[in-house]
Amino acid sequence: QVQLQQSGAELAKPGSSVKISCKASGYTFTSYYISWIKQTTGQGLEYIGYINTGSGGTNYNEKFKGKATLTVDKSSSTAFMQLSSLTPDDSAVYYCAKAGFAYWGQGTLVTVSS
Amino acid sequence: DIQMTQSPSSLPASLGDRVTITCRASQDIGNYLRWFQQKPGKSPRLMIYGATNLAAGVPSRFSGSRSGSDYSLTISSLESEDMADYYCLQSKESPFTFGAGTKLELK
Repeated sequence: QVQLQQSGAELAKPGSSVKISCKASGYTFTSYYISWIKQTTGQGLEYIGYINTGSGGTNYNEKFKGKATLTVDKSSSTAFMQLSSLTPDDSAVYYCAKAGFAYWGQGTLVTVSS
Repeated sequence: DIQMTQSPSSLPASLGDRVTITCRASQDIGNYLRWFQQKPGKSPRLMIYGATNLAAGVPSRFSGSRSGSDYSLTISSLESEDMADYYCLQSKESPFTFGAGTKLELK
């Protein structure tokens, strides 16, 4: 069955970076885009962007350009999102989702605090 | 960006009630509209896609409809397991955008 397994919670300091992973199984990884979504209590759900897992091409929400970098490792069927120059506003749960949004990872909590 | 205005933000209801949640799109999105259910501590669950199509495994008491730029999610007879947050998502144009959410709770 289709599964998206995300990496564990991160505690990071302001100004640092984190890299979250999303390992896919149960389907042909390179045939479907992976999207990334941010969820905070105050801002609800925000769409960060998506990556074409076959070509590596990306499409970002303008708001997250320079903040998020999406990559893939086809050999391990894993998508990654790096968040850079972290501030407390980046504290959130981050989800990956398979194209069509029928399958989501379990979410990764990122907490930015000194 | 396309704005999705979701209402109400909170919806107190009783078991057995018929409830409706609405999203209004700021510009044409055709039928590129999905509805999600989210329970505390869980990932969103796809309920409706293509504005009116029931996702796999979703009970038939859920339905989606469209009237112009207004999209609705209706639960015909509320059950306790339906208490959750609900979100709409437009995927017509990048960046995809979500509604602000509706908290469905017991009256």
